Amino acid sequence: EAGVAQSPRYKIIEKRQSVAFWCNPISGHATLYWYQQILGQGPKLLIQFQNNGVVDDSQLPKDRFSAERLKGVDSTLKIQPAKLEDSAVYLCASSLDRSSDSEFATEAFFGQGTRLTVV
Amino acid sequence: AQKVTQAQTEISVVEKEDVTLDCVYETRDTTYYLFWYKQPPSGELVFLIRRNSFDEQNEISGRYSWNFQKSTSSFNFTITASQVVDSAVYFCALSEAAGGYNKLIFGAGTRLAVHP
Repeated sequence: EAGVAQSPRYKIIEKRQSVAFWCNPISGHATLYWYQQILGQGPKLLIQFQNNGVVDDSQLPKDRFSAERLKGVDSTLKIQPAKLEDSAVYLCASSLDRSSDSEFATEAFFGQGTRLTVV
Repeated sequence: AQKVTQAQTEISVVEKEDVTLDCVYETRDTTYYLFWYKQPPSGELVFLIRRNSFDEQNEISGRYSWNFQKSTSSFNFTITASQVVDSAVYFCALSEAAGGYNKLIFGAGTRLAVHP
């Protein structure tokens, strides 16, 4: 079974430029997460999709970050304009989350991440 | 609000020592799930174990074991006879159903260094 695919793996941009990250989750997974992981910290949830709808974006800096999940499958995360403090690894994850199942919460599987450096 | 605390920022051990990673969580839900993930130097988060709040039975899987205690809101992880390949950052995570969906929150992580 293919895992979560993310691209690009690395990106270096200047501040005030824009950047986009792409994620292809595991086939059939309803839930898709975007996390930001700053060096030395735990992953911080930015946005969570259930199918193609947003269920949580409370920690997404909406003045500069945006995300969409097309047809409930692939997702893109965009930053415009980027700031120095956006330098981090951006992780995409997906989970099955079969609410009708006794195992209500399933584990999330992560991609390799995109390391963003803003200079 | 849910919260995960990993008080140990870094642990250093010599190979073959046993090591326990601590995790304390806060939640108002009665139904929730706890996870441990490993992040090796390559950067990808690897799922290790999931426990739901109704299952306090502790488990041993090879060199790994988990101690879940609801009374103290703790979900500790032990590696027996550690190996150099166990060197990684370990994250504890909590998922509670909030408004009909599962929100997965991570602790700050514990960096484990196993020396030969």
